[in-house]
Amino acid sequence: SQQGEEDPQALSIQEGENATMNCSYKTSINNLQWYRQNSGRGLVHLILIRSNEREKHSGRLRVTLDTSKKSSSLLITASRAADTASYFCATDMQGAQKLVFGQGTRLTINP
Amino acid sequence: ETGVTQTPRHLVMGMTNKKSLKCEQHLGHNAMYWYKQSAKKPLELMFVYNFKEQTENNSVPSRFSPECPNSSHLFLHLHTLQPEDSALYLCASSLSLAGFTDTQYFGPGTRLTVL
Repeated sequence: SQQGEEDPQALSIQEGENATMNCSYKTSINNLQWYRQNSGRGLVHLILIRSNEREKHSGRLRVTLDTSKKSSSLLITASRAADTASYFCATDMQGAQKLVFGQGTRLTINP
Repeated sequence: ETGVTQTPRHLVMGMTNKKSLKCEQHLGHNAMYWYKQSAKKPLELMFVYNFKEQTENNSVPSRFSPECPNSSHLFLHLHTLQPEDSALYLCASSLSLAGFTDTQYFGPGTRLTVL
């Protein structure tokens, strides 16, 4: 079974609202990364949070990590139409030497 | 522009054809990766190279054959593919494989259709 699972699978909100996406994983990690993918394109790295960090910010992005619950959330504040994309979490599992991606959350921002 | 380029961007091939996908990174990275992205499935890691040496083959069928002549170039040679191999093939690179904590930089992908 896959390591990271995003929730919800799809999210549609109005421009200006905040968007929250969640990621759950199963085993211990070194870090967790969030990536964004526009339709049919490559993934773009957004933010990396290490296992000893609880919260990280980058512009309008806020990521939290709760290692006791094995979960992370990505918050996008004041969403814009250009934020429409799929968002993936990827876990760097301890001892695995590879990133494992979830299935992603498809975010649609309606103007 | 991530510094990772892939060619071709689109490829249509028959099951008996032989073709190659090319990836080039201009970032000075030492690790390169091939991923397969199919509809409604998570991104699947196929191969990993670190300093030109293959370090991961994720049970990929032999009809996919990778080649890494140097740290900047990565190829995926394709032969006798099946229709279910149709997918977006993504190349990525990272600074090194040390703990896999490095950010990965992705190319735009090659959209492959097997008829």
